[in-house]
Amino acid sequence: QQPVQSPQAVILREGEDAVINCSSSKALYSVHWYRQKHGEAPVFLMILLKGGEQKGHEKISASFNEKKQQSSLYLTASQLSYSGTYFCGTGMTGNQFYFGTGTSLTVIP
Amino acid sequence: DAGVTQSPTHLIKTRGQQVTLRCSPKSGHDTVSWYQQALGQGPQFIFQYYEEEERQRGNFPDRFSGHQFPNYSSELNVNALLLGDSALYLCASSIRTGKGYTFGSGTRLTVV
Repeated sequence: QQPVQSPQAVILREGEDAVINCSSSKALYSVHWYRQKHGEAPVFLMILLKGGEQKGHEKISASFNEKKQQSSLYLTASQLSYSGTYFCGTGMTGNQFYFGTGTSLTVIP
Repeated sequence: DAGVTQSPTHLIKTRGQQVTLRCSPKSGHDTVSWYQQALGQGPQFIFQYYEEEERQRGNFPDRFSGHQFPNYSSELNVNALLLGDSALYLCASSIRTGKGYTFGSGTRLTVV
């Protein structure tokens, strides 16, 4: 039931772009994205509720393909502050909510 | 505006003991979910409480139980602790309609 994320880890230089993918084997009702820095709690980035919906947050945006049961997170012109582990979270029927396997993102100068 | 508050921040228990973790949700939130996060892993869903009832449960044994109080605060109880229960326990609150979760800083439980 746990969504699978890819890649597992990525290293970027400041200013580069990245895409993180999230796939579920079950039908999705919603997709959340969170960022967790080492030793801290996850921080909510955005939620997508409809298939095909795209949302943006500064230079971070996401898409949700309900049919393919997938979501992607797009980070453009990455900054050092973007470093952390990114988790997708998928809402399914019955209010169950599962976090993905996580993607470690490191931005270097 | 206070966010989600969890207590205690750290806890050391002996195998076989019982533990109670506490969570106060963000103001205005009525739903509390509990997660277990092992080192280097993503949070694993334990259960969710709404209107003082357990609404959904993840793949955790009955040793894990909870409670939600009329003021929406919540407790997580774990009985007969195992070494494998050592983890960061996160509480997340939300509005029932689901606008994203606000997480507390967690309780780091170590079972020795």
